[in-house]
Amino acid sequence: AQSVAQPEDQVNVAEGNPLTVKCTYSVSGNPYLFWYVQYPNRGLQFLLKYITGDNLVKGSYGFEAEFNKSQTSFHLKKPSALVSDSALYFCAVSPDTGGFKTIFGAGTRLFVKA
Amino acid sequence: DTGVSQDPRHKITKRGQNVTFRCDPISEHNRLYWYRQTLGQGPEFLTYFQNEAQLEKSRLLSDRFSAERPKGSFSTLEIQRTEQGDSAMYLCASSLAMGTSGASYNEQFFGPGTRLTVL
Repeated sequence: AQSVAQPEDQVNVAEGNPLTVKCTYSVSGNPYLFWYVQYPNRGLQFLLKYITGDNLVKGSYGFEAEFNKSQTSFHLKKPSALVSDSALYFCAVSPDTGGFKTIFGAGTRLFVKA
Repeated sequence: DTGVSQDPRHKITKRGQNVTFRCDPISEHNRLYWYRQTLGQGPEFLTYFQNEAQLEKSRLLSDRFSAERPKGSFSTLEIQRTEQGDSAMYLCASSLAMGTSGASYNEQFFGPGTRLTVL
């Protein structure tokens, strides 16, 4: 079965420290990988994606993510966290083997403390 | 605002009633998705349209659920004979994709959602 796992329900980090939000996936074929962020009372917003090429992709608001094919992971990172980064983060995968379904993880709540 | 819009934002209904939600995607987007999101979970795929054609439907979608996109623009999601288990946030998203088959590597743009409460 195809799935996306975000092993941490919540990540706590101090402002100014680096942050990592973890994501692993299990899909057939080559995946297209995405990160979305959801702020309170707002719709999901796209952060970044991996399609092909360089394993390190950069996105909005200073976020980046590293694709690791051998570990089937796509961890979200930021060198220096801001209080305003506090939100709910979703990892998503869209398999390239046909079909149109995008599979989302359960989400990780990031809390950045001042 | 030219983003994805959904109407209504909130709907409270009694068990057994029918409800209909509307989604207006970004105008140039040819793909439209419906998802359901419950507390503590990520969005679950319900169905997908490429222009006016409904190309995939999740097994989560019982016969009480139906979706249309009659002119390839806005879409409606109808739930008949609502049950308390239908209470959730219903999300609509759109994207622009080349071609008519296969997964899309283009990001999806989400609307604010319609929160359904079934009493």
